[in-house]
Amino acid sequence: EPEVTQTPSHQVTQMGQEVILRCVPISNHLYFYWYRQILGQKVEFLVSFYNNEISEKSEIFDDQFSVERPDGSNFTLKIRSTKLEDSAMYFCASSYDRGPSGANVLTFGAGSRLTVL
Amino acid sequence: AQSVTQLDSHVSVSEGTPVLLRCNYSSSYSPSLFWYVQHPNKGLQLLLKYTSAATLVKGINGFEAEFKKSETSFHLTKPSAHMSDAAEYFCVVSETGRRALTFGSGTRLQVQP
Repeated sequence: EPEVTQTPSHQVTQMGQEVILRCVPISNHLYFYWYRQILGQKVEFLVSFYNNEISEKSEIFDDQFSVERPDGSNFTLKIRSTKLEDSAMYFCASSYDRGPSGANVLTFGAGSRLTVL
Repeated sequence: AQSVTQLDSHVSVSEGTPVLLRCNYSSSYSPSLFWYVQHPNKGLQLLLKYTSAATLVKGINGFEAEFKKSETSFHLTKPSAHMSDAAEYFCVVSETGRRALTFGSGTRLQVQP
């Protein structure tokens, strides 16, 4: 079964450093997403990406964050200058389309745990 | 605005007994509702989805959920728990026209032998 793969599985960084989290979505999917889960809190939507541009973003996704699809397979999340509160599990996801049912069904990766010291 | 409330943070059952994980939602429009499961060190896996068709939805691994509009609920059930069902379960809502999913806080299911 096709999978969404994420690297690294765990990254430790110093406050103020730049971090890039990488994702390989399912190959025929068109929509790409990042979500995050701070320890003990809910999974939160960050951003969705379609046709090489952001289609929707939350208020969490401020100027410190950016996303990119640098080639035909990777989808990255960059955090420019990490803060302590960026420590979280970051999930990448992809979807093909809503389909006839109208549901937006996402396939998620296993997550990248970011620890900011 | 949409929101999801999972009424139990932890549920413990014995193997072979029924499972009930409760979820209530709030949505301004016709929602799509999902249950996702997360096993340790694994991604979030879709269990089942409701998209305004049949109100009783069957998913993988014997799970099912019933959409009750009058109660704004979408509880997840399974007749007989298996040890492999131990995981974190998330109730999720999506509104028509939006890409963003809204997650509940999760319910950790423990299955005792």
